[in-house]
Amino acid sequence: QVQLQESGPGLVKPSQTLSLTCTVSGDSISSGSFYWSWIRQPAGKGLEWIGHIYTSGSTNYNPSLKSRVTISIDTSKNQFSLKLTSVTAADTAVYYCAREGFYCTGNLCSKNWFDPWGQGTLVTVSS
Amino acid sequence: QSALTQPASVSGSPGQSITISCTGTSSDVGGYNYVSWYQQHPGKAPKLMIYDVIHRPSGVSDRFSGSKSGNTASLTISGLQAEDEADYYCSSYTSSSSLFGGGTKVTVL
Repeated sequence: QVQLQESGPGLVKPSQTLSLTCTVSGDSISSGSFYWSWIRQPAGKGLEWIGHIYTSGSTNYNPSLKSRVTISIDTSKNQFSLKLTSVTAADTAVYYCAREGFYCTGNLCSKNWFDPWGQGTLVTVSS
Repeated sequence: QSALTQPASVSGSPGQSITISCTGTSSDVGGYNYVSWYQQHPGKAPKLMIYDVIHRPSGVSDRFSGSKSGNTASLTISGLQAEDEADYYCSSYTSSSSLFGGGTKVTVL
């Protein structure tokens, strides 16, 4: 059973860098057919996809956050990480990591489904 | 990229069926069969309920079903139960990234 767990500071000062790590257990992060994703949710609001990384290190980011986001992967530790620079109060949210499925068999493809998710970690941006 | 459009709330009585819509554009919902749905109870992480528009993961009740017509995807919950009261989010693939809907609060009357 695959499990994901976020970790990192719960409080970050404005203009600084938010850094989180997601530790994966029960499966190798190097196994194919999955991206490893970050998603966030401000209090009382909806979900926002931040970006994802493949085991090769290939990444895709939300265009609205692209200039501030870096996602990296450490296969030796079975972890992937998020860095978000120049944070403001608007970046205060619960941050989730999730496994994102994708595969293609012949002409049949499956993608853009997130399962499982970590429990989430609240990051507050405040001085 | 704009969020997908969902109704803020939908309600129904126990045993009834309800449908939640998720409207996008031809660049996301209408362009790909990669729509997924998530159930989120308060204080909990989202749970995958439907993927690739119509498919249910193992363990998800067959009372949940998905469909799509044009730029609008839908999640139908039949035989509504008290435990179905939660927030529901749709997500669509779009050009190497993902979009989520704003969420729909389902209330069981």
